[in-house]
Amino acid sequence: DAKTTQPTSMDCAEGRAANLPCNHSTISGNEYVYWYRQIHSQGPQYIIHGLKNNETNEMASLIITEDRKSSTLILPHATLRDTAVYYCIVIPPANKFYFGSGTKLNVKP
Amino acid sequence: GAVVSQHPSRVICKSGTSVKIECRSLDFQATTMFWYRQFPKQSLMLMATSNEGSKATYEQGVEKDKFLINHASLTLSTLTVTSAHPEDSSFYICSASIRSSGANVLTFGAGSRLTVL
Repeated sequence: DAKTTQPTSMDCAEGRAANLPCNHSTISGNEYVYWYRQIHSQGPQYIIHGLKNNETNEMASLIITEDRKSSTLILPHATLRDTAVYYCIVIPPANKFYFGSGTKLNVKP
Repeated sequence: GAVVSQHPSRVICKSGTSVKIECRSLDFQATTMFWYRQFPKQSLMLMATSNEGSKATYEQGVEKDKFLINHASLTLSTLTVTSAHPEDSSFYICSASIRSSGANVLTFGAGSRLTVL
């Protein structure tokens, strides 16, 4: 599985877009990029995943660079409820999910 | 959408007793479920993969006799912490895999917080 690097923490103003980066320079051709988040004392929540193309759903957008070595999760209008730890995971299909340290996003009023 | 239910959400037990945690897929069948453990201020640690109708596979360093996993049906996996001790106090989270847009996506339960006195 490709190693991922994320900043330890980030701040974002409420109502502004939150852009969370993830570096995965050793990604292989069949590995997907997944994003999950964990709000304090809850189970992780799936956000989005992608292989090559940018993806968007009701929660967020995933922007993957053309060389696939990095990606950015975008929360278009962050709210206080988006304060959580965000995990970027890169794995091939059917592999097990191992979680790193993630990025603690603090959304501030 | 796919929902995974965990029970109990909180449990307190005395040292030396065993505790069972249930994980159910409510609206889908899950041949594979995963059990994680999380200590305070740490990330999730994968403990084992639960396979319906066969033995669970454990991650390195996880004692299979300590953490008994049973996956007797396509909608239920159980984790039993045997002879629990205070160091087993943790947040236990299960998940099930579903197929979405060509990839496997994990859906997680809300977690079970175990406190061993």
